[in-house]
Amino acid sequence: EVQLVESGGGLIQPGGSLRLSCAASGFTVSSYYMSWIRQAPGKGLEWVSVIYGDAGTYYIDSVKGRFTISRDNSKNTLYLQMDSLRAEDTAVYYCARGGGGDPDFDYWGQGTLVSVSS
Amino acid sequence: DVVMTQSPLSLPVTLGQPASISCRSSRGLVYSDGNTYLNWFQQRPGQSPRRLIYKVSNRDSGVPDRFSGSGSGTDFTLKISRVEAEDVGVYYCMQGTHWPKTFGQGTKVEIK
Repeated sequence: EVQLVESGGGLIQPGGSLRLSCAASGFTVSSYYMSWIRQAPGKGLEWVSVIYGDAGTYYIDSVKGRFTISRDNSKNTLYLQMDSLRAEDTAVYYCARGGGGDPDFDYWGQGTLVSVSS
Repeated sequence: DVVMTQSPLSLPVTLGQPASISCRSSRGLVYSDGNTYLNWFQQRPGQSPRRLIYKVSNRDSGVPDRFSGSGSGTDFTLKISRVEAEDVGVYYCMQGTHWPKTFGQGTKVEIK
């Protein structure tokens, strides 16, 4: 059974850093595109970043240079290092399998809340 | 970025009646491999999104056959043939053809 379990969210001051983790089971992370998608409180969904192949990466403009996506193949875990956090980064962050076409977000984690506030 | 525009944004429906959600993209969604990467997701209250439909009209495993997707080019539709209470939630279309992948604003389905 495919499962994705996020952790690492919390309350952080503007300018601070957090690292989110997404532990996968039931499949091999390195064999798929893997994405982070966020949802601000009461708002819609926004694709943030993807990792694929031999660690190719892509970021949306608003997080480029501040966020870093990575994975640990030995732990079958996806990460999102978030630096220089801003209030507008406040959201539930989901990891999802896919981001390269097919499958595209066929499995999602339960999400982890990141709140950026002083 | 490709803009995905859904309508309506709010959809009150009577139980057992059909419902239809429209999604329009600002660019064509046919990829170079010939596929159209247009997906639909359901987000029930307090839950993570769940994919219902992929590549316009393919239902995911476990999705009831009252859900169907159609469309081509820049215009797409999600239909629910007979709305049930468990269908309450927000529905999003998403294009996966062009990067960054983008979602519609969401359509909130509620029971009248």
